[in-house]
Amino acid sequence: GNSVTQMEGPVTLSEEAFLTINCTYTATGYPSLFWYVQYPGEGLQLLLKATKADDKGSNKGFEATYRKETTSFHLEKGSVQVSDSAVYFCALDLSNFGNEKLTFGTGTRLTIIP
Amino acid sequence: GAGVSQTPSNKVTEKGKYVELRCDPISGHTALYWYRQSLGQGPEFLIYFQGTGAADDSGLPNDRFFAVRPEGSVSTLKIQRTERGDSAVYLCASTTAPGETQYFGPGTRLLVL
Repeated sequence: GNSVTQMEGPVTLSEEAFLTINCTYTATGYPSLFWYVQYPGEGLQLLLKATKADDKGSNKGFEATYRKETTSFHLEKGSVQVSDSAVYFCALDLSNFGNEKLTFGTGTRLTIIP
Repeated sequence: GAGVSQTPSNKVTEKGKYVELRCDPISGHTALYWYRQSLGQGPEFLIYFQGTGAADDSGLPNDRFFAVRPEGSVSTLKIQRTERGDSAVYLCASTTAPGETQYFGPGTRLLVL
């Protein structure tokens, strides 16, 4: 079946540090890949996405590249801010194969300290 | 514009009771999804509607769970004979078409005592 494995948290970093949150996937087919973010007290929001191999998604200084050879979609940011503290979820769907539901990882809680 | 709304935001019930959770999708969104998020986990798919019909209900855990979307807009998730293991946050998402970005509501936190 389809699954997403992401780096376990919690992750605590100092402001301006470099961030990597690892995500790998297993899928029958070629999925679209997503990072969703859940800020404290808010709903899930799409952060970025990539729909095919070698695509790079980017938003708010975050980036992730769809690596088919390593089945990975690692999230990176060069310099994190306190406002980036949130829970981050990696997810996939197979909408191109008639399977539109999102399959999520377990989430990684990120805390940035000033 | 208005996002996806869900009511109630919190629901406390007793084991064995019946509950209904409501989702109002973004106006004009034809596809609607329900997910369940247990503590410390990512959301898990329950059911997906395209218009009024359930296109995929493979995530419903058992026959105590049922969802409807009679007019192709508002959806209600119904849980009969609730069990303590049903306690979770129930999330609704909608999108303009299957495969497009899903927009999530704030969720309903269900606690079964």
